[in-house]
Amino acid sequence: DAKTTQPTSMDCAEGRAANLPCNHSTISGNEYVYWYRQIHSQGPQYIIHGLKNNETNEMASLIITEDRKSSTLILPHATLRDTAVYYCIVRVATGTASKLTFGTGTRLQVTL
Amino acid sequence: DADVTQTPRNRITKTGKRIMLECSQTKGHDRMYWYRQDPGLGLRLIYYSFDVKDINKGEISDGYSVSRQAQAKFSLSLESAIPNQTALYFCATSDWKEGYTFGSGTRLTVV
Repeated sequence: DAKTTQPTSMDCAEGRAANLPCNHSTISGNEYVYWYRQIHSQGPQYIIHGLKNNETNEMASLIITEDRKSSTLILPHATLRDTAVYYCIVRVATGTASKLTFGTGTRLQVTL
Repeated sequence: DADVTQTPRNRITKTGKRIMLECSQTKGHDRMYWYRQDPGLGLRLIYYSFDVKDINKGEISDGYSVSRQAQAKFSLSLESAIPNQTALYFCATSDWKEGYTFGSGTRLTVV
């Protein structure tokens, strides 16, 4: 799986958009970009994933650059409950290589 | 009931003891995984199984073994626990459409 690079930590004011960047310059054509988050010591929670088109769901939006070498997770209106570690992961969709490999993620702190 | 249930939630055991962590799921997923997490670090894959007859080692399988008793059950064993196996352990299942679903974790302390 391609490696990813994320900032160690970020702060965001409550109610503002949180934009979390991720670099994945060695991503392969068949690898998807996944985002998960982990609140305190709970199990990681799936947020969103995409291949090359931008994606949006009820939790967040995912913007992938045209060359697919980087992406941004957007939480449109961050709340205190969004404080968590956010993991950007790239992996193929199927087969024995489709397991998640976690890095150290970005610790997002949402403040009043 | 949770989609992925891990038991026990917390366990303290002595060095050299055998311990089993259990995981069951109601998602109907074929794929199941065991991860461990040490403080301040991301999750590391111990073992994974893509169906009942399939078992694969992850990046840190030494000192661990697993059993896939059924599609819904995947247990992790520490044959002879040692203190550096003190960690938070997570079980997960996956499906292409839904991504990964994680359990709430088992906090294991080996003294």
